[in-house]
Amino acid sequence: GAGVSQSPRYKVAKRGQDVALRCDPISGHVSLFWYQQALGQGPEFLTYFQNEAQLDKSGLPSDRFFAERPEGSVSTLKIQRTQQEDSAVYLCASSLVMGQMAGKLFFGSGTQLSVL
Amino acid sequence: AQRVTQPEKLLSVFKGAPVELKCNYSYSGSPELFWYVQYSRQRLQLLLRHISRESIKGFTADLNKGETSFHLKKPFAQEEDSAMYYCALRVQAGTALIFGKGTTLSVSS
Repeated sequence: GAGVSQSPRYKVAKRGQDVALRCDPISGHVSLFWYQQALGQGPEFLTYFQNEAQLDKSGLPSDRFFAERPEGSVSTLKIQRTQQEDSAVYLCASSLVMGQMAGKLFFGSGTQLSVL
Repeated sequence: AQRVTQPEKLLSVFKGAPVELKCNYSYSGSPELFWYVQYSRQRLQLLLRHISRESIKGFTADLNKGETSFHLKKPFAQEEDSAMYYCALRVQAGTALIFGKGTTLSVSS
């Protein structure tokens, strides 16, 4: 079966440009997480959805970052007026909340964002 | 605040040697601990979790609450174990994982 799908795989943006990153979770996965991974660092939590509800957005670094999951499936992470410090790999992960596999995160391949 | 510390950025060993990847955490309650692995050109994936008390690919990890550690061990390293390893913590079901900065394991013959 298909895993977590993220697009685009690579994105180059000019400073000040807005970008939108897409995540298509595994079908039936209720929970969806966004992480930011800078070069040489571990993934840093950004935000978390359960179905369409955004339960935690404490990791979003500024109000330029916005995430949505309007129908409880596909999610979009939007970054407005990108800055060079936004350059990173953005990872999406999904999981079940019930059963033996509850809490096990399945990660996408990530979107590598480079802001010039 | 909760934190995960992986003190080694790089660990290099020879094939057949024992491996121990260190992980310490800071949290006063009862956390869930995980090890995730990322092989070259692959996505991040779960290796093992402490509640399962399992051995995956010969790796084991024991939660030591007294020392707040969850070190990953394997008695005999293989070249295919070369990868990036991340320790992660979750303080409550349904919340996000907190990751360490990762340790690169390099196994050479």
